[in-house]
Amino acid sequence: EDQVTQSPEALRLQEGESSSLNCSYTVSGLRGLFWYRQDPGKGPEFLFTLYSAGEEKEKERLKATLTKKESFLHITAPKPEDSATYLCAVRSGGSNYKLTFGKGTLLTVNP
Amino acid sequence: ETGVTQTPRHLVMGMTNKKSLKCEQHLGHNAMYWYKQSAKKPLELMFVYNFKEQTENNSVPSRFSPECPNSSHLFLHLHTLQPEDSALYLCASSQDPSGYYEQYFGPGTRLTVT
Repeated sequence: EDQVTQSPEALRLQEGESSSLNCSYTVSGLRGLFWYRQDPGKGPEFLFTLYSAGEEKEKERLKATLTKKESFLHITAPKPEDSATYLCAVRSGGSNYKLTFGKGTLLTVNP
Repeated sequence: ETGVTQTPRHLVMGMTNKKSLKCEQHLGHNAMYWYKQSAKKPLELMFVYNFKEQTENNSVPSRFSPECPNSSHLFLHLHTLQPEDSALYLCASSQDPSGYYEQYFGPGTRLTVT
């Protein structure tokens, strides 16, 4: 069974203080790893898809990386508007269509 | 309208009521999904539709009944729900369900069962 563990559960940063969020996964044949951002009371917003180890993607202050066992979401010089819950999800190469999500990391960036 | 829309945004219903949630996607996608999001739990996949055919039922109780009349519309019919069914219900769509394409989510329906 696919498993996704995100850490830490919550992270509080000062504006401009860079850090990383971790997503450890166990799947049978990774088809894709997805990062989403979710604001309170809203649906998840797609950020990145990573397909193979060594792949990296960037968007503004965010950079996602992937190894065979984990993915990191690096946040450089965060701003208060980056505060949200960040979700990681994986899709294995099995026959079902299930996307397995982690519980998320709640990021708070203080001004 | 753009993206994925859901109505209503909030719903309060008694345990004996019958109600329906509606989802519409304006992205030209072929796959649609229902998810349940409860506090402190990961998103739980409920149903998957591909070209309006149900391809996955993730052991969901029969009091939840999905309907997909076409690739753009998805409904979740609710009846005789339990208080533990209170949650945020999210609809999503993707180009296909293969897992290679990202899913786009709607804003959700906040359901409270009294």
